[in-house]
Amino acid sequence: DVKVTQSSRYLVKRTGEKVFLECVQDMDHENMFWYRQDPGLGLRLIYFSYDVKMKEKGDIPEGYSVSREKKERFSLILESASTNQTSMYLCASTGRTLLYEQYFGPGTRLTVT
Amino acid sequence: AQSVAQPEDQVNVAEGNPLTVKCTYSVSGNPYLFWYVQYPNRGLQFLLKYITGDNLVKGSYGFEAEFNKSQTSFHLKKPSALVSDSALYFCAVRDISNTGKLIFGQGTTLQVKP
Repeated sequence: DVKVTQSSRYLVKRTGEKVFLECVQDMDHENMFWYRQDPGLGLRLIYFSYDVKMKEKGDIPEGYSVSREKKERFSLILESASTNQTSMYLCASTGRTLLYEQYFGPGTRLTVT
Repeated sequence: AQSVAQPEDQVNVAEGNPLTVKCTYSVSGNPYLFWYVQYPNRGLQFLLKYITGDNLVKGSYGFEAEFNKSQTSFHLKKPSALVSDSALYFCAVRDISNTGKLIFGQGTTLQVKP
């Protein structure tokens, strides 16, 4: 079974703090993704990576950065957290064969106060 | 531009009745279509996909979806709803950029009443 894990289920941070969200997958997948989920807006892609040290901006990259130093790990970084970044963050991965579905982690609910 | 629309924010159905959750898409070329389900405070779980072939696709938990090219639709269906099917459902289409990106609809909340 594919497993995608995220470092925290719930996180509370203060405005201006630097926040790290970690995602690890155990299926040797090339592609990894970070989404944020907000009610009524569905899932919106923040960043994705198709290989180690490679990254591309998604639809809403402002205020975020990412790091992929190892194939299995994809980190999302909020350089200076703001209240409008309070959201559910979901990580996903998929293999190089694009016919495959994406596999999702359990999500991190981040609250910025 | 590619897009996915789920026209209903919420669908209510009685247990034992058939259910349909609607999805329409807009994409150039052949679409790769997916349905996911999300239970409260959980990640998304894959239900089924259409890549090519038979227009009726069967998936997990008794769900199926019908691909209709002329209507650009991919509606999710189940013959007999269960209370435990109550959840948030997302339709998605693969982006044509060959990066594995998915474009998601806004989501539809399914409420199955006993």
